[in-house]
Amino acid sequence: DVVMTQSPLSLPVTLGQPASISCRSSQSLVHSDGNTYLNWFQQRPGQSPRRLIYRVSNRDSGVPDRFSGSGSGTDFTLKISRVEAEDVGVYYCMQATHWPLTFGGGSKVEIK
Amino acid sequence: EVQLVESGGGLVQPGGSLRLSCAASGFTFSTYWMNWVRQSPGKGLEYVATIKQDGSETSYVESVKGRFTISRDNAKSSLHLQMNSLRAEDTAIYYCVRERGGRYWGQGTQVTVSS
Repeated sequence: DVVMTQSPLSLPVTLGQPASISCRSSQSLVHSDGNTYLNWFQQRPGQSPRRLIYRVSNRDSGVPDRFSGSGSGTDFTLKISRVEAEDVGVYYCMQATHWPLTFGGGSKVEIK
Repeated sequence: EVQLVESGGGLVQPGGSLRLSCAASGFTFSTYWMNWVRQSPGKGLEYVATIKQDGSETSYVESVKGRFTISRDNAKSSLHLQMNSLRAEDTAIYYCVRERGGRYWGQGTQVTVSS
């Protein structure tokens, strides 16, 4: 199975400051169709996961533009340009290139 | 509005069975892959099973093969997960998820396997 490794596990951030989460996969996520199926999810306390980013850098509808994704191959990053109070929660990367689809262990964003 | 509503969770003894259901609305159910994903404190988020639009293809995570069966009824826009020979490690919140990329999630149903 593809192992997804996220860092940091915990990220205390001051409101209005940027935040960055790294995700590394144990093998390339480039699919045979040429696409890279790496997605990012946000899970707020007490809620179901919500997808923010698909295929590395595409924001889902309704997702604020302060969220952005980048990367290629095995190294990926989620950035929040200016953290707001509503961004508190756990963020997960997920690969959908190889079955079984696998998630990272999560990175908890909290306000300092 | 896309809605996915799970039901059927509960407390069951080891070795027992449960059948989870997911009622879908707000989209054309028959045109999407559907999935069950579970979340437990110990193992995090884990894709359990996936099923193609017409039900002709299914895949399972290794730990549930031979014990769980995913199925769908496109006429009723419903997804199911038959879980047999349940183990303590199957304890988790089970989510119904549209698309392999995880675009939409239900609110989840809690499954607890304990004596």
